Amino acid sequence: AQSVTQPDIHITVSEGASLELRCNYSYGATPYLFWYVQSPGQGLQLLLKYFSGDTLVQGIKGFEAEFKRSQSSFNLRKPSVHWSDAAEYFCAVGAPDTGRRALTFGSGTRLQVQP
Amino acid sequence: NAGVTQTPKFRVLKTGQSMTLLCAQDMNHEYMYWYRQDPGMGLRLIHYSVGEGTTAKGEVPDGYNVSRLKKQNFLLGLESAAPSQTSVYFCASSYRGAYSGNTIYFGEGSWLTVV
Repeated sequence: AQSVTQPDIHITVSEGASLELRCNYSYGATPYLFWYVQSPGQGLQLLLKYFSGDTLVQGIKGFEAEFKRSQSSFNLRKPSVHWSDAAEYFCAVGAPDTGRRALTFGSGTRLQVQP
Repeated sequence: NAGVTQTPKFRVLKTGQSMTLLCAQDMNHEYMYWYRQDPGMGLRLIHYSVGEGTTAKGEVPDGYNVSRLKKQNFLLGLESAAPSQTSVYFCASSYRGAYSGNTIYFGEGSWLTVV
Protein backbone atom coordinates (compact mmCIF):
# COMPACT_ATOMS: atom_id res chain seq x y z
CA ALA A 1 0.00 0.00 0.00
CA GLN A 2 1.22 3.45 -0.74
CA SER A 3 1.52 6.10 1.91
CA VAL A 4 2.85 9.53 2.53
CA THR A 5 4.87 10.31 5.63
CA GLN A 6 5.67 13.71 7.05
CA PRO A 7 8.08 12.98 9.91
CA ASP A 8 7.90 16.43 11.50
CA ILE A 9 4.65 17.30 13.24
CA HIS A 10 5.73 20.79 14.24
CA ILE A 11 8.64 23.01 13.14
CA THR A 12 9.62 26.45 14.41
CA VAL A 13 11.93 28.70 12.43
CA SER A 14 12.99 32.31 12.75
CA GLU A 15 11.81 34.82 10.20
CA GLY A 16 14.39 35.08 7.44
CA ALA A 17 15.79 31.62 8.08
CA SER A 18 15.66 28.83 5.53
CA LEU A 19 13.06 26.09 5.71
CA GLU A 20 12.91 22.46 4.70
CA LEU A 21 9.84 20.30 5.29
CA ARG A 22 10.25 16.59 4.78
CA CYS A 23 7.99 14.24 2.86
CA ASN A 24 8.55 10.57 2.12
CA TYR A 25 6.33 8.33 0.07
CA SER A 26 6.07 4.64 -0.50
CA TYR A 27 4.90 3.80 -3.97
CA GLY A 28 6.15 1.45 -6.62
CA ALA A 29 5.87 3.60 -9.71
CA THR A 30 6.70 7.25 -10.22
CA PRO A 31 4.22 9.06 -8.04
CA TYR A 32 2.37 12.25 -8.71
CA LEU A 33 3.43 14.48 -5.79
CA PHE A 34 1.92 17.64 -4.40
CA TRP A 35 2.43 20.16 -1.62
CA TYR A 36 -0.52 22.07 -0.19
CA VAL A 37 -0.67 24.81 2.45
CA GLN A 38 -3.50 25.43 4.88
CA SER A 39 -3.78 28.70 6.78
CA PRO A 40 -5.76 28.60 10.05
CA GLY A 41 -9.46 28.16 9.45
CA GLN A 42 -9.00 27.99 5.70
CA GLY A 43 -9.06 25.43 2.95
CA LEU A 44 -6.01 24.05 1.19
CA GLN A 45 -4.05 25.87 -1.49
CA LEU A 46 -1.74 24.15 -3.96
CA LEU A 47 1.90 25.23 -3.65
CA LEU A 48 3.45 23.02 -6.31
CA LYS A 49 3.34 19.61 -7.96
CA TYR A 50 5.64 17.08 -9.60
CA PHE A 51 4.72 14.70 -12.38
CA SER A 52 7.81 14.12 -14.47
CA GLY A 53 10.81 15.86 -15.93
CA ASP A 54 12.93 18.28 -13.94
CA THR A 55 13.12 16.99 -10.39
CA LEU A 56 13.32 20.51 -8.94
CA VAL A 57 9.97 22.21 -9.18
CA GLN A 58 9.11 25.78 -8.41
CA GLY A 59 5.87 26.83 -6.79
CA ILE A 60 4.06 29.86 -5.57
CA LYS A 61 5.15 32.11 -2.70
CA GLY A 62 8.84 31.33 -3.29
CA PHE A 63 8.61 27.62 -2.45
CA GLU A 64 10.39 24.83 -4.28
CA ALA A 65 10.55 21.07 -3.87
CA GLU A 66 12.93 18.40 -5.08
CA PHE A 67 11.92 14.88 -6.07
CA LYS A 68 14.56 12.31 -5.13
CA ARG A 69 13.62 8.87 -6.33
CA SER A 70 16.54 7.17 -4.56
CA GLN A 71 15.34 8.53 -1.23
CA SER A 72 11.59 8.36 -1.98
CA SER A 73 11.39 11.97 -0.90
CA PHE A 74 9.80 15.20 -2.03
CA ASN A 75 11.00 17.82 0.42
CA LEU A 76 9.68 21.37 0.38
CA ARG A 77 12.11 24.26 0.75
CA LYS A 78 12.14 28.02 1.04
CA PRO A 79 15.33 30.08 1.31
CA SER A 80 13.91 32.81 3.55
CA VAL A 81 10.75 32.36 5.61
CA HIS A 82 8.28 35.19 6.16
CA TRP A 83 5.91 35.47 9.11
CA SER A 84 2.99 34.95 6.73
CA ASP A 85 4.29 31.44 5.95
CA ALA A 86 3.08 30.22 9.34
CA ALA A 87 0.55 27.54 8.43
CA GLU A 88 0.14 23.81 8.11
CA TYR A 89 1.75 22.10 5.15
CA PHE A 90 0.58 18.86 3.60
CA CYS A 91 2.36 16.56 1.21
CA ALA A 92 0.09 14.46 -1.00
CA VAL A 93 0.32 11.78 -3.65
CA GLY A 94 -2.11 10.59 -6.31
CA ALA A 95 -3.79 7.65 -4.58
CA PRO A 96 -3.35 4.46 -6.62
CA ASP A 97 -6.39 2.81 -5.07
CA THR A 98 -8.48 5.51 -6.75
CA GLY A 99 -6.65 5.18 -10.05
CA ARG A 100 -4.77 8.29 -8.90
CA ARG A 101 -7.94 10.28 -9.36
CA ALA A 102 -7.89 11.49 -5.75
CA LEU A 103 -5.11 12.52 -3.38
CA THR A 104 -3.76 10.77 -0.29
CA PHE A 105 -2.35 13.21 2.23
CA GLY A 106 0.36 13.04 4.83
CA SER A 107 -0.49 13.99 8.40
CA GLY A 108 0.86 17.52 7.98
CA THR A 109 3.61 19.72 9.42
CA ARG A 110 2.69 22.81 11.36
CA LEU A 111 5.11 25.68 10.79
CA GLN A 112 5.57 28.38 13.39
CA VAL A 113 7.62 31.47 12.50
CA GLN A 114 9.38 33.40 15.25
CA PRO A 115 10.06 37.12 14.82
CA ASN B 1 -15.18 33.90 -8.18
CA ALA B 2 -16.99 31.58 -5.78
CA GLY B 3 -14.91 28.46 -6.55
CA VAL B 4 -15.91 25.68 -4.15
CA THR B 5 -18.59 26.60 -1.62
CA GLN B 6 -19.60 24.47 1.33
CA THR B 7 -22.74 24.83 3.44
CA PRO B 8 -23.18 24.91 6.33
CA LYS B 9 -19.86 26.09 7.75
CA PHE B 10 -20.68 25.08 11.32
CA ARG B 11 -23.14 22.60 12.72
CA VAL B 12 -23.75 20.85 16.02
CA LEU B 13 -25.68 17.58 15.87
CA LYS B 14 -26.96 15.21 18.49
CA THR B 15 -26.02 11.56 18.22
CA GLY B 16 -28.40 9.79 15.87
CA GLN B 17 -29.49 12.87 13.97
CA SER B 18 -29.07 13.11 10.24
CA MET B 19 -27.78 15.95 8.13
CA THR B 20 -26.49 16.81 4.67
CA LEU B 21 -23.46 18.87 3.74
CA LEU B 22 -23.71 20.62 0.41
CA CYS B 23 -20.78 21.33 -1.87
CA ALA B 24 -21.20 23.52 -4.92
CA GLN B 25 -18.60 24.41 -7.54
CA ASP B 26 -18.94 26.90 -10.34
CA MET B 27 -15.91 25.83 -12.39
CA ASN B 28 -17.62 23.15 -14.49
CA HIS B 29 -15.40 20.50 -12.90
CA GLU B 30 -16.03 16.83 -13.54
CA TYR B 31 -14.37 15.49 -10.38
CA MET B 32 -15.51 16.21 -6.85
CA TYR B 33 -14.29 14.89 -3.52
CA TRP B 34 -15.21 14.83 0.16
CA TYR B 35 -12.45 14.63 2.78
CA ARG B 36 -12.46 14.76 6.54
CA GLN B 37 -9.64 16.30 8.57
CA ASP B 38 -8.83 15.17 12.08
CA PRO B 39 -5.91 16.33 14.24
CA GLY B 40 -2.69 14.50 13.42
CA MET B 41 -4.26 12.51 10.60
CA GLY B 42 -4.20 14.85 7.65
CA LEU B 43 -7.10 14.65 5.23
CA ARG B 44 -8.76 11.33 4.53
CA LEU B 45 -10.90 10.67 1.48
CA ILE B 46 -14.52 9.75 2.23
CA HIS B 47 -16.10 9.55 -1.22
CA TYR B 48 -15.45 11.00 -4.62
CA SER B 49 -17.19 11.42 -7.95
CA VAL B 50 -15.79 11.43 -11.47
CA GLY B 51 -18.87 12.91 -13.07
CA GLU B 52 -22.57 13.59 -12.75
CA GLY B 53 -24.42 10.52 -11.52
CA THR B 54 -21.26 8.69 -10.35
CA THR B 55 -19.84 8.12 -6.89
CA ALA B 56 -17.06 5.97 -5.47
CA LYS B 57 -15.83 5.06 -2.00
CA GLY B 58 -12.66 6.46 -0.56
CA GLU B 59 -10.61 5.47 2.44
CA VAL B 60 -13.21 6.11 5.16
CA PRO B 61 -16.71 5.78 3.63
CA ASP B 62 -18.54 4.06 6.50
CA GLY B 63 -21.38 6.10 7.99
CA TYR B 64 -21.57 8.45 5.01
CA ASN B 65 -23.52 8.55 1.78
CA VAL B 66 -23.10 10.84 -1.20
CA SER B 67 -24.99 11.91 -4.27
CA ARG B 68 -24.05 13.77 -7.44
CA LEU B 69 -27.34 14.46 -9.15
CA LYS B 70 -26.09 17.67 -10.71
CA LYS B 71 -22.61 18.25 -12.04
CA GLN B 72 -22.04 21.31 -9.89
CA ASN B 73 -23.19 19.78 -6.59
CA PHE B 74 -21.84 16.98 -4.41
CA LEU B 75 -23.83 16.15 -1.28
CA LEU B 76 -22.46 14.34 1.76
CA GLY B 77 -25.01 12.76 4.06
CA LEU B 78 -24.79 11.44 7.59
CA GLU B 79 -27.78 9.20 8.22
CA SER B 80 -27.21 8.64 11.94
CA ALA B 81 -24.48 10.88 13.30
CA ALA B 82 -21.96 9.50 15.78
CA PRO B 83 -19.43 11.35 17.96
CA SER B 84 -16.67 9.76 15.87
CA GLN B 85 -17.89 11.85 12.96
CA THR B 86 -16.96 15.07 14.73
CA SER B 87 -14.49 16.54 12.25
CA VAL B 88 -13.79 19.24 9.72
CA TYR B 89 -15.12 18.29 6.30
CA PHE B 90 -13.58 19.57 3.09
CA CYS B 91 -15.02 19.41 -0.37
CA ALA B 92 -12.78 19.70 -3.40
CA SER B 93 -13.13 19.69 -7.15
CA SER B 94 -11.03 19.44 -10.28
CA TYR B 95 -11.55 19.27 -14.01
CA ARG B 96 -9.85 15.88 -14.15
CA GLY B 97 -8.28 13.68 -11.47
CA ALA B 98 -4.95 14.08 -9.74
CA TYR B 99 -3.27 12.02 -12.49
CA SER B 100 -3.96 14.77 -15.03
CA GLY B 101 -2.05 17.57 -13.37
CA ASN B 102 -5.18 19.66 -13.01
CA THR B 103 -5.28 21.63 -9.80
CA ILE B 104 -7.65 20.32 -7.15
CA TYR B 105 -9.46 23.22 -5.50
CA PHE B 106 -10.68 23.04 -1.92
CA GLY B 107 -13.55 24.68 -0.11
CA GLU B 108 -13.06 26.41 3.21
CA GLY B 109 -14.38 23.56 5.31
CA SER B 110 -17.42 22.64 7.38
CA TRP B 111 -16.98 22.16 11.13
CA LEU B 112 -19.26 19.44 12.44
CA THR B 113 -19.62 18.51 16.09
CA VAL B 114 -21.66 15.50 17.19
CA VAL B 115 -22.60 15.47 20.86
